This record gives sequence, structure tokens and C-alpha cells, in this order.
Amino acid sequence: SAVISQKPSRDICQRGTSLTIQCQVDSQVTMMFWYRQQPGQSLTLIATANQGSEATYESGFVIDKFPISRPNLTFSTLTVSNMSPEDSSIYLCSVRTGEDSGYTFGSGTRLTVV
Amino acid sequence: SQKIEQNSEALNIQEGKTATLTCNYTNYSPAYLQWYRQDPGRGPVFLLLIRENEKEKRKERLKVTFDTTLKQSLFHITASQPADSATYLCALGPGGYNKLIFGAGTRLAVHP
Repeated sequence: SAVISQKPSRDICQRGTSLTIQCQVDSQVTMMFWYRQQPGQSLTLIATANQGSEATYESGFVIDKFPISRPNLTFSTLTVSNMSPEDSSIYLCSVRTGEDSGYTFGSGTRLTVV
Repeated sequence: SQKIEQNSEALNIQEGKTATLTCNYTNYSPAYLQWYRQDPGRGPVFLLLIRENEKEKRKERLKVTFDTTLKQSLFHITASQPADSATYLCALGPGGYNKLIFGAGTRLAVHP
């Protein structure tokens, strides 16, 4: 299975600022997924990022708030823009490397907005 | 809308017993179902995948069943150990390299 390096692992940010989260995969993957996990809640998909095309966003998430870059097949970034305390959450990236394998997740970024 | 239900209450069991966790879903016909383990402060870790045409799958002390008529999956950990204490998530997928829909998870606590 793939190994994902995600950073930062945590950050405390002021409201109104932006934070960019990076995920580096040790192998080439077609699709990368970005999830949010609010305290005590399950994972909610934010968007799917394909290399060479615009990300596909889920209902309730927009590109202006969560711009995503996917410059190559091993790397992606998610930016949380104009943050408010409601954006405090854990953000995770994920990939799948085979039909019979599950999804591999990064270790997550714990974001606190004050 | 699609809905996945896992027991929101924590499951407490004694070491050595079998833990059984339930995942029910509605308004969905998944091609496969997956189970993940998540420890505090960490991302989910993949455990098992079972396809819609499979009834049961095993891996070491883990066993998963999938009943597409009942729209239910059961996840069993036999001979449970305190190290098995974690939150367990079920996730449904439409097939291929597509997005997963996750349940809220069930927290398991195995006591010595």
C-alpha cells in the first residue's frame, strides 16, 4: 500500500487567515481524496483531486473556500481559506492504490481556528 | 439520502471475548464495504474489504459478513485484546477508484 506524508500535523490559526495542507504520496496515483473529520464525527469528503483537471467538490464545499492543487501524480494541497472557528477540524488526504486494497490515509492535520 | 448507521455507543468487552460491531445502511447499493480502524489523533487504517457478491471474509482474528438483503455488515474480532481498543469505521463504495461514504464509527474498549 502507499505511504502518505501529510503536513502540517497540527496548527493554530487566526480567523480570516488561510492554511495550506500538503500531501505527498510515495507512488503515482490517479485520484486523491480530501476529507474533513469534525470532533466526534465521521469523515466527510470535501473533494476529489485528479491530476491535470479541476477538483470535483462535494455538496456543501466550494472551490473558493477549499482550493485544491494537484500538480503531479504524487502531490496535492488543500487550502482552507478565510478561516473561521467552524473550520476547526481534522483534515485528511487519502488515496487508493489497488482494486482489492482499501484506501490509505495521511496522518491528518488538526486545525484549530481562534 | 444515503445513510450509514453504526452503534454510536461505545462497546465495552472483556479481554478474550469476541467483539461484534454492526454497520447498517439505507438508500444505497454498494459494490463493496470496507472496515477501518482509527486511533485517537491518527488517520483511519484499512482492515478489510468485502464485495457485494461475498458473504464473509476473514483475516487473522477479524471476520466480516455482508448481507445485501438486510443491508448490514457485521465485524467480529475474536480473542479480543486491549490493543484492539479503537474506533472502527465502516465505509461503502460504489466500485472502482471512487469516493467512500463513512459511518460515524463505533468505539471499542477491551478491558483486561
